[in-house]
Amino acid sequence: DTEVTQTPKHLVMGMTNKKSLKCEQHMGHRAMYWYKQKAKKPPELMFVYSYEKLSINESVPSRFSPECPNSSLLNLHLHALQPEDSALYLCASSQDPTGGGGYTFGSGTRLTVV
Amino acid sequence: GENVEQHPSTLSVQEGDSAVIKCTYSDSASNYFPWYKQELGKRPQLIIDIRSNVGEKKDQRIAVTLNKTAKHFSLHITETQPEDSAVYFCAALRGDDMRFGAGTRLTVKP
Repeated sequence: DTEVTQTPKHLVMGMTNKKSLKCEQHMGHRAMYWYKQKAKKPPELMFVYSYEKLSINESVPSRFSPECPNSSLLNLHLHALQPEDSALYLCASSQDPTGGGGYTFGSGTRLTVV
Repeated sequence: GENVEQHPSTLSVQEGDSAVIKCTYSDSASNYFPWYKQELGKRPQLIIDIRSNVGEKKDQRIAVTLNKTAKHFSLHITETQPEDSAVYFCAALRGDDMRFGAGTRLTVKP
C-alpha cells in the first residue's frame, strides 16, 4: 500500500456541527501532517505529528483539534467552524520526519461550512 | 520561520520549449527541497527533490538545481508537453516543518 487515504472526500457542515476528518496510511511512515489549501493557494501547514506526538501546531484555532490514535491514523476533529474555514484539507505522511523525504499526500477532503 | 518565494506565478510556453521555475528560501537550516505538481482538483504529487548536499539532480525531462550559498533552487522542464500543464509548488524543509512557495501555473500550448 503506497497511498494516503482520506475520508470523507467531501463534507458539508453547519457552523454548529461536529465532524471529523480521517487519514490513514500503511507505509510505515512516522510523520503525518494536516495542511489546509484554499483555491489557487499553496498548502498551509496546520499540524505535524512526529512519532505520534504533536510536534508543530501552527497557531491553528481551537475549533480544529488533531488526534493521532496510532502511527497509521490521523484525525482532525472539527467543531463550531466558520464559513472561511471552507477549503481542501490535505493529509500527508513521510517516512522520516526530519531527514527529508517525499511527502505522500492524500486526495483531500473538500470541506464546505454553511 | 522559513519563507519560500516562487517565481513566476504564471508561465506559458509552447510545446517543446523549456520551462524554468525559481524559488528562494530564507532559512539556511533548510536541507530538503521538493517540487510538487498539482493538477486541477487533485492532490500534490512529488515530481523531483534535492537534498542540500547535492547541487543538481535530473530525472528524464525534469531537473532541479540548488545553490545553497544564494539560497535558491530551480525546476527545469525540457521538451514540455501539454500534460505538463499544472500548478507547480516548490517547498523547503527544516526539521519536520515544510513550507510551500505560492505556486506557478504552467500552461503548455500545443
